[in-house]
Amino acid sequence: SQQGEEDPQALSIQEGENATMNCSYKTSINNLQWYRQNSGRGLVHLILIRSNEREKHSGRLRVTLDTSKKSSSLLITASRAADTASYFCATDGKRSGNTGKLIFGQGTTLQVKP
Amino acid sequence: AAGVIQSPRHLIKEKRETATLKCYPIPRHDTVYWYQQGPGQDPQFLISFYEKMQSDKGSIPDRFSAQQFSDYHSELNMSSLELGDSALYFCASSLEGQGQETQYFGPGTRLLVL
Repeated sequence: SQQGEEDPQALSIQEGENATMNCSYKTSINNLQWYRQNSGRGLVHLILIRSNEREKHSGRLRVTLDTSKKSSSLLITASRAADTASYFCATDGKRSGNTGKLIFGQGTTLQVKP
Repeated sequence: AAGVIQSPRHLIKEKRETATLKCYPIPRHDTVYWYQQGPGQDPQFLISFYEKMQSDKGSIPDRFSAQQFSDYHSELNMSSLELGDSALYFCASSLEGQGQETQYFGPGTRLLVL
């Protein structure tokens, strides 16, 4: 991957448990986004966190960002079988004069067992 | 709400043939991005357009070209197709000009080269 590692690559949990996925990146960023992808389908935007933010919540999602460690985590609380999907973090490759192409991590495949 | 539309959804081509993928961004979005996702891979940025001008270029082969038209739809033209071009091709749009970095993805075009 151009961007870095996601950890773990695969995660299997029971419904109702929490799921934590980690992402590391290599370059300075303006923001970091998390996306979800059901098998072979499109990418659904979950949450965006800016470089000057440390934590953000959206429903059952909690994202943290540590720019000093160049890492982010996504926590899904009270997981449901419908949360089964691949989760990608993506950073903006924004440099002077360029628009914000996304650089994706390798993704974490989450399986939530009913 | 209107989403990003991509056509066709599925495409089967022979080696050395050409293919044209179309993308219709969310109305009033000014930026279009193209990404390629190989099997089991993370999405890779190909090219982007802002206000109908190419704004950034990633790992796009010389055999591929793209443009954005006056109505903001975009087309990705792929020539001399190779087996390795088999992938999911995503288009995403955003409102970069308004400082809104969130990219909204279409459902993708699944290209199979035989």
